[in-house]
Amino acid sequence: AQRVTQPEKLLSVFKGAPVELKCNYSYSGSPELFWYVQYSRQRLQLLLRHISRESIKGFTADLNKGETSFHLKKPFAQEEDSAMYYCALSFFGNEKLTFGTGTRLTIIP
Amino acid sequence: ETGVTQSPTHLIKTRGQQVTLRCSSQSGHNTVSWYQQALGQGPQFIFQYYREEENGRGNFPPRFSGLQFPNYSSELNVNALELDDSALYLCASSLSGGTYEQYFGPGTRLTVT
Repeated sequence: AQRVTQPEKLLSVFKGAPVELKCNYSYSGSPELFWYVQYSRQRLQLLLRHISRESIKGFTADLNKGETSFHLKKPFAQEEDSAMYYCALSFFGNEKLTFGTGTRLTIIP
Repeated sequence: ETGVTQSPTHLIKTRGQQVTLRCSSQSGHNTVSWYQQALGQGPQFIFQYYREEENGRGNFPPRFSGLQFPNYSSELNVNALELDDSALYLCASSLSGGTYEQYFGPGTRLTVT
């Protein structure tokens, strides 16, 4: 069965410092990986997906199939990045999402 | 374009009762998925509906059931409520195709006492 692990429940980073939120997955096959974000008092929304290879709000994530990881990175944290971040996976042709437990990111001014 | 809406926002039920939660999908979307999010956890997939048929189910007992209507809105029904059913229930809509983004609603907070 597929599984997504986010080892850090809480992460605090100073403004301007680099950010890395870790995500590891277990799945036999070719998964599609996502990062979802939930800002305070807002609904869960897609931040980025690996197949699009886009950089959204300065965030990037590279799928490393050898290490089964999909870490989220940003070179310079901003205060508005404070939010709850969820890593998720699905497999092609099926839209069921399997989520990790989430990491609460706090940016310290 | 109207986003995903859910009703009610909150509700409190007693153990053993039944509850119905409602979801209106985003305009143009034909697929609705339901997730349960317990406190401190990520959302867990309950089931998905596509064109009024169940199209995949997670590890939830049969007392969790659903419907999708011709206008693609959906209901989640839970019978014989248990204390562990207390959670945020999220609905997400998408355009079927396997590569389309899921758009989430604000959720319904269910408390079972």
